[in-house]
Amino acid sequence: GAGVSQSPSNKVTEKGKDVELRCDPISGHTALYWYRQSLGQGLEFLIYFQGNSAPDKSGLPSDRFSAERTGGSVSTLTIQRTQQEDSAVYLCASSPPGKGWNTEAFFGQGTRLTVV
Amino acid sequence: GESVGLHLPTLSVQEGDNSIINCAYSNSASDYFIWYKQESGKGPQFIIDIRSNMDKRQGQRVTVLLNKTVKHLSLQIAATQPGDSAVYFCAERGDYKLSFGAGTTVTVRA
Repeated sequence: GAGVSQSPSNKVTEKGKDVELRCDPISGHTALYWYRQSLGQGLEFLIYFQGNSAPDKSGLPSDRFSAERTGGSVSTLTIQRTQQEDSAVYLCASSPPGKGWNTEAFFGQGTRLTVV
Repeated sequence: GESVGLHLPTLSVQEGDNSIINCAYSNSASDYFIWYKQESGKGPQFIIDIRSNMDKRQGQRVTVLLNKTVKHLSLQIAATQPGDSAVYFCAERGDYKLSFGAGTTVTVRA
């Protein structure tokens, strides 16, 4: 597709249930990021992928959070036993390889997760 | 640096005035910097970028200034318009990943 696609766009789940959030990056983008954004707040880094490996997962808040990436493309963020404090917008971004011009990250529209 | 759930600073600007948004970055090895704009209900969108071998770069109504000595980045918006109301984030690329600043909420007064 033309941009980063995230699904679902909205998810309401009951406390204690597991959820999976999906990110389809732009084709050819080797780097993929997950961020969390609570209402009116900044971007909280969760995890960074380079290809299928995650050299930096330091932002995952607890062991209830995990993420994987397959085929250097699609990524799934899984939250187990969801809690109300997990409610937020989860943003995915991808960027092409390299460090120079035109290697900015492109963001999806996010998944709004509400835990009730 | 990265935002970790901090309340965002705010900037209120009169329509037609110039806006200056500031950002301090953390990694002296970063060689690429980007400003993003996030409107309500949307993901952040690219505005302008600059490499570390530059001090200034201009786009349409926007200018980014980089001061590597004090690790400071700023975004200037000329003749601010109501459509400029948004949250603005700076980002730095270090060795491998993109790291975001805390963000600034800009509100344009009519």
